[in-house]
Amino acid sequence: AQTVTQSQPEMSVQEAETVTLSCTYDTSESDYYLFWYKQPPSRQMILVIRQEAYKQQNATENRFSVNFQKAAKSFSLKISDSQLGDAAMYFCAYRSPPEQGAQKLVFGQGTRLTINP
Amino acid sequence: DTGVSQDPRHKITKRGQNVTFRCDPISEHNRLYWYRQTLGQGPEFLTYFQNEAQLEKSRLLSDRFSAERPKGSFSTLEIQRTEQGDSAMYLCASSLGGTAGDEQYFGPGTRLTVT
Repeated sequence: AQTVTQSQPEMSVQEAETVTLSCTYDTSESDYYLFWYKQPPSRQMILVIRQEAYKQQNATENRFSVNFQKAAKSFSLKISDSQLGDAAMYFCAYRSPPEQGAQKLVFGQGTRLTINP
Repeated sequence: DTGVSQDPRHKITKRGQNVTFRCDPISEHNRLYWYRQTLGQGPEFLTYFQNEAQLEKSRLLSDRFSAERPKGSFSTLEIQRTEQGDSAMYLCASSLGGTAGDEQYFGPGTRLTVT
């Protein structure tokens, strides 16, 4: 079974600075999808960024980018120019490829990010 | 389109009572998922529907739990004879299906407290 580990329960960063959240995973599959989700306090979870394992190029979405190291099974999220609205729980998640039949997301434990003004 | 909605948002019940939650997915989405999230943890998968068919169930879904999606639209999750360990946030998500990336859109959740 696949597992996802986020070793940083909490992180904090000064507004406008850059922060990196870590995620490692374990799988025997060669193709899969990785996601970062954001869960603001008392609000619903939203997708931040997605990475397909077969793509070597790291995904980017505006101020959010990932460092995907397939051999190391590492998938970190970098947030540049941090803003107060970035404060939230961030979850790393894994999904098997569609041909495996499973559609579920496997989540890590989460990292609580605080932005200091 | 207002996104995924869940009802109720909060539910307090006494141990041993039955509870039912409802999820309304995004209208054109044919896949629907239930997850459970306990305090300070990531969501854990419970079950998944494609249209009205329940295609996958987690071992977390004991025989006290049942989920339905009778017409392939909204879904209900029922917990019978609730226990204090059932206290959690129950999240529903939906997705369009048919694409490899297939983003899951989450609802606001139903927070269950069993006293």
